[in-house]
Amino acid sequence: DGGITQSPKYLFRKEGQNVTLSCEQNLNHDAMYWYRQDPGQGLRLIYYSQIVNDFQKGDIAEGYSVSREKKESFPLTVTSAQKNPTAFYLCASSNRETQYFGPGTRLLVL
Amino acid sequence: QQPVQSPQAVILREGEDAVINCSSSKALYSVHWYRQKHGEAPVFLMILLKGGEQKGHDKISASFNEKKQQSSLYLTASQLSYSGTYFCGTEPPGGTSYGKLTFGQGTILTVHP
Repeated sequence: DGGITQSPKYLFRKEGQNVTLSCEQNLNHDAMYWYRQDPGQGLRLIYYSQIVNDFQKGDIAEGYSVSREKKESFPLTVTSAQKNPTAFYLCASSNRETQYFGPGTRLLVL
Repeated sequence: QQPVQSPQAVILREGEDAVINCSSSKALYSVHWYRQKHGEAPVFLMILLKGGEQKGHDKISASFNEKKQQSSLYLTASQLSYSGTYFCGTEPPGGTSYGKLTFGQGTILTVHP
């Protein structure tokens, strides 16, 4: 089955710790995206990548980093510089028509 | 710039109709509609590519007025399963070669028995 997987489903971060959220897709899509969603809020773009080894900052990139070493994978690292990381993180990929989303990772701070 | 959705929330009884609007201050190439259940990923509903285009999907349909830079989502004879948050995503003129969208803030739809 084709789709987008994200892991883990829940992630706990201690203060000062970097954590990495996984996103994998087998849809053969070139573009991939990371969004942050806060309660009652829309989708805010963190980073996106159009092609392997290339990525651009979105609207709220501070405190986050990404890599795109493979077409299928677009991991997001939430660094210690992100002071308010508690949120629902969604990964998406797109063909030339629209975006398809993964199931999300909920990040909580201990 | 983020498109604006209205209303922010709507409460319905089963069988009632609703309209959700998505307006942009900039010209649009396409509008994409998604529904998100609580704690789940947004699910793609439909895409409208041409000005004046209307599309239907079961009892959910949408229109796109290119001149007014807005789209409306119509939910008729609502069912309990329609509950969720509805988002519109927009593309600027010329589109993008990779599907980058700007999303509205969402409209919360609640359907009661």
